[in-house]
Amino acid sequence: EPEVTQTPSHQVTQMGQEVILRCVPISNHLYFYWYRQILGQKVEFLVSFYNNEISEKSEIFDDQFSVERPDGSNFTLKIRSTKLEDSAMYFCASLQGEDYEQYFGPGTRLTVT
Amino acid sequence: AQTVTQSQPEMSVQEAETVTLSCTYDTSESDYYLFWYKQPPSRQMILVIRQEAYKQQNATENRFSVNFQKAAKSFSLKISDSQLGDAAMYFCAYRRGTASKLTFGTGTRLQVTL
Repeated sequence: EPEVTQTPSHQVTQMGQEVILRCVPISNHLYFYWYRQILGQKVEFLVSFYNNEISEKSEIFDDQFSVERPDGSNFTLKIRSTKLEDSAMYFCASLQGEDYEQYFGPGTRLTVT
Repeated sequence: AQTVTQSQPEMSVQEAETVTLSCTYDTSESDYYLFWYKQPPSRQMILVIRQEAYKQQNATENRFSVNFQKAAKSFSLKISDSQLGDAAMYFCAYRRGTASKLTFGTGTRLQVTL
């Protein structure tokens, strides 16, 4: 069964460093999402991406964040200058088309020290 | 803005018994979907069940069923014949329309005891 994959599973970085979280959505999916979950809290929406552009973003998704689909298969989330409060689990999700479910990847745990 | 509320931070059920997890939501939309996701200790998000707002019939998936009360904006999850593997965090989620973001509740941690 096709699945969403994410790499790395765990990333440790120092405050102020740039990180890129990678996701490979399911191949025939058209919509892509990033969510984050701070430990012990609920899952929060960051950004959605469709047709090679951002379709919606939350207040969390400020200028420090960017997304890209560089090669038609990968979907990346970049954090330019990480802060301690960026420590969280980051989930990628993809959706085939309208009226379908979002499939989640296993997540990347980001630890900022 | 849409909100999703789960008022039970923790619930416990004995193996083989039935448990109901509560969820309420607030929206002014008419076209929306509701979901229950399971998050085990691995933290993977697993879809349990979904309900389309336009359907009056409550969704069921094997041991999992929902009680969807549209007028009351209530969407509870019933787990029958609970198993040890059902122990997890359960999140209720709302989606406006067909491809927009998911809005999650704060979750209910379910313990299953022998």
